[in-house]
Amino acid sequence: EAQVTQNPRYLITVTGKKLTVTCSQNMNHEYMSWYRQDPGLGLRQIYYSMNVEVTDKGDVPEGYKVSRKEKRNFPLILESPSPNQTSLYFCASRPRDSLVDYGYTFGSGTRLTVV
Amino acid sequence: AQSVAQPEDQVNVAEGNPLTVKCTYSVSGNPYLFWYVQYPNRGLQFLLKYITGDNLVKGSYGFEAEFNKSQTSFHLKKPSALVSDSALYFCAVRDGGGYQKVTFGTGTKLQVIP
Repeated sequence: EAQVTQNPRYLITVTGKKLTVTCSQNMNHEYMSWYRQDPGLGLRQIYYSMNVEVTDKGDVPEGYKVSRKEKRNFPLILESPSPNQTSLYFCASRPRDSLVDYGYTFGSGTRLTVV
Repeated sequence: AQSVAQPEDQVNVAEGNPLTVKCTYSVSGNPYLFWYVQYPNRGLQFLLKYITGDNLVKGSYGFEAEFNKSQTSFHLKKPSALVSDSALYFCAVRDGGGYQKVTFGTGTKLQVIP
């Protein structure tokens, strides 16, 4: 089954404790992206990647890091989480070819709470 | 900078009635437009897209959307609403000219009343 897999689904952590949210896709998509969803603000892009070793900042990159060492994986790293990073996070991927671009395929989400 | 506006936080419609969820966009090049649906505790699911061609596009679950270039709109429609259509709907845009960033609207909650 074609899918984007995020882990964990739920995470409660304390301020300052480094964490990583993993994301993996099995569709050989070039593009991958991280979004956070907050009430009233919709989805805001954190980082995106156009291919292996090619990443760029989205609208709200502060406090986050990413890496793209393999095509299928795009982990999101919070080096020192703070309470304002409490949110619902989505990883998504899509193909580069516009002719088959059916938009992003999204993971099921990671609900992060930082206390 | 590209942007998407969904002017209604919530739309209420009676079951069986037609529904419209509004979306307007701003992008410098040719727009690639998308609608997604999010059910509670789930990720977003693709509904339909417009890239080129016929201004009326049809998608999943009986939804359709009309692209209007002069009004820079891409409203989502369905002739007859179902209670199961109740969900959060997101409009999204990206510039077809090469800049690959996808921008989402803030979402519209659709409530279909039995």
